[in-house]
Amino acid sequence: QVQLVQSGPEVKKPGASVKVSCKASGYSFASYGVSWVRQAPGQGLEWVGWISEDGSITNYAQKFQGRVTMTRDTSTSTAYMDLRGLRSDDTAVYYCAKHQPPVSTSSAPWDPRDYWGQGTLVTVSS
Amino acid sequence: QSVLTQPPSVSGAPGQRVTISCTGSSSNIGAGYDVHWYQQLPGTAPKLLIYGNTNRPSGVPDRFSGSKSGTSASLAITGLQAEDEGHYYCQSYDSSVTVDVVFGGGTKLTVL
Repeated sequence: QVQLVQSGPEVKKPGASVKVSCKASGYSFASYGVSWVRQAPGQGLEWVGWISEDGSITNYAQKFQGRVTMTRDTSTSTAYMDLRGLRSDDTAVYYCAKHQPPVSTSSAPWDPRDYWGQGTLVTVSS
Repeated sequence: QSVLTQPPSVSGAPGQRVTISCTGSSSNIGAGYDVHWYQQLPGTAPKLLIYGNTNRPSGVPDRFSGSKSGTSASLAITGLQAEDEGHYYCQSYDSSVTVDVVFGGGTKLTVL
C-alpha cells in the first residue's frame, strides 16, 4: 500500500534552517510529483510548493520563495523540504503529499493530492 | 483571507444532509480549474475525498458527492454519521500572478 513516512519533530531557533524528509513506498516514486503543505496550530492548510516527478520543476508559493528548496532522491524514494530563515510563524505541521495526475499525464500543480504523510511538527522558538 | 471562501462551520444531526460551499473567482474555479475536497479528522492528516470536482477515490462512500458551477463548488454529505465530524477543505489552482495552489479556509463539520 502507498505510504509516505516523514521525519520526526524538530525544534529550531529563529533564523535556523530545517530539512524535513518524506520517504515513499508502495508506488513508483519516480512517476509522481510531491507537494508540501503546512498547517499552523489551529489553522487551515497552506500550500508551500511542489516538485515534479524528475525534480526538474519546482514551484514555490510566493511567500516562501528564497527561503525554501525542495529536492528528491529517486534512489531512496525520498523527498525533502529545506526551509531557511525560520521565524516563529513558521511553527506548523508540515505534510508531504503525492500528486495524482490524470492517467498518462505528468504531474501539475493543479493535481489532487491522493496520499499524505503523517506530518512533521516544526517548532520555532527562542 | 483565503482565496477560496468556505463557511467556518456547518452542523447537522445524524442521518441528515449537509452541504459545504467553496466560492472562488474568475482566476481559479471560474477559469475552469478543478476543485478537490479533503477531509481532516481530528489529529490526522488530510484525506482526499473528492477529486476533479465530482469524482470519489476508491473507498470513499457514495454519501459524499461534489459539484461545481461557475465560480463555486459544493461538497454534499448525506446520511451524516458521527465519524464524519472534522474539517473539510476545498483546493483549486489560481492563475493570477501571486498565487498558485489555493485552499479554502476550511469548514468545521459538527454532527449534533
